[in-house]
Amino acid sequence: NAGVTQTPKFQVLKTGQSMTLQCAQDMNHEYMSWYRQDPGMGLRLIHYSVGAGITDQGEVPNGYNVSRSTTEDFPLRLLSAAPSQTSVYFCASSDDRGSENTIYFGEGSWLTVV
Amino acid sequence: AQSVTQLDSHVSVSEGTPVLLRCNYSSSYSPSLFWYVQHPNKGLQLLLKYTSAATLVKGINGFEAEFKKSETSFHLTKPSAHMSDAAEYFCVVSAQYSSASKIIFGSGTRLSIRP
Repeated sequence: NAGVTQTPKFQVLKTGQSMTLQCAQDMNHEYMSWYRQDPGMGLRLIHYSVGAGITDQGEVPNGYNVSRSTTEDFPLRLLSAAPSQTSVYFCASSDDRGSENTIYFGEGSWLTVV
Repeated sequence: AQSVTQLDSHVSVSEGTPVLLRCNYSSSYSPSLFWYVQHPNKGLQLLLKYTSAATLVKGINGFEAEFKKSETSFHLTKPSAHMSDAAEYFCVVSAQYSSASKIIFGSGTRLSIRP
């Protein structure tokens, strides 16, 4: 049982480059989301999805795109990387159908934009 | 609307003494509440969760939390701190019927353990 898998774990980008953070889950969860974690600010929601074909913006969506073509995958795209996007990124998924709502996290992706 | 406030950004205790990490929440719906722990340069691990069953919830590594609706609190406790408990702790609220802001994190409490 792999849970939530994020890749890459570490990445260094130059300003203006684009890249995609991959996220996949094998638990058939409807709800998936991306967070960024910055010192002293906890985790802030970037984008989320409540099912295949459905995405919506979170608290800090600017500079990021997402898509949800399948239930399993929820990639996060940085269109033109900026130093302000240096952060740790976490993908999460949860079962939206029950009252349990346990949130499962990936291991994190450490991104540095220079 | 929902929100979560962790009242202390940093807590320091001596090894073997009790731990108290405070969390207050606000939710328009019946919330699910969670505590997650994050060790340095690691991902987030679920400690425990409250989902409208027993108000006293026991988690892993000797932690527990009590849901108090009248006080809108969900404080995390442990009777005796261990050096391995040093980490960042996040209180999380999730509203089952809200899609606009489904899962909200507190800003985190850094727990330090003194030898």
